[in-house]
Amino acid sequence: DAKTTQPNSMESNEEEPVHLPCNHSTISGTDYIHWYRQLPSQGPEYVIHGLTSNVNNRMASLAIAEDRKSSTLILHRATLRDAAVYYCILRDVPGTYKYIFGTGTRLKVLA
Amino acid sequence: EAGVAQSPRYKIIEKRQSVAFWCNPISGHATLYWYQQILGQGPKLLIQFQNNGVVDDSQLPKDRFSAERLKGVDSTLKIQPAKLEDSAVYLCASSLMRALNYNSPLHFGNGTRLTVT
Repeated sequence: DAKTTQPNSMESNEEEPVHLPCNHSTISGTDYIHWYRQLPSQGPEYVIHGLTSNVNNRMASLAIAEDRKSSTLILHRATLRDAAVYYCILRDVPGTYKYIFGTGTRLKVLA
Repeated sequence: EAGVAQSPRYKIIEKRQSVAFWCNPISGHATLYWYQQILGQGPKLLIQFQNNGVVDDSQLPKDRFSAERLKGVDSTLKIQPAKLEDSAVYLCASSLMRALNYNSPLHFGNGTRLTVT
């Protein structure tokens, strides 16, 4: 199974950059790396995804290691509204499109 | 566009009772998922539909849980009879395509919080 490992929690000061790491040493060559976040009392929401190259969108940036065994979600300027649980996920079994959420990283943003 | 709608938002039942959750996905989304999220854990996939057919239900406790997606649109998830350990948030998600690899993100509803006493 393709699985991910993330720290349980991280803290950041408001308006500072945040780097959320994810290890996925068993990733297959065709797995996309996806990030979702879950705000309190809400369902998870899509943040960003990538395959090999670094990706940017209005919410965040995704930096993918050259060997694809790890990735980092970058929030350029954390705000209090970014306090959430961040999940890094991959497909479970290539071809079935099932994928597994881990326990994620709980990000605390300090004012 | 309207998001994924789920109801009810909250439900409290006694053990051994039955309960049903309803989900209306985003219009045009062929794939629908039900997840169970126990407090402090990540969402766990229960069942995945592609249109009105089941793609994966390997994690669904079939002795008590059932789900259907009639006409490939709305879906219901039922628990009968409920156990204390079924207390969780039940999340519905939909996507345009079956595979995340086709750059189609999941869209989640806000879930139904079930408490079994």
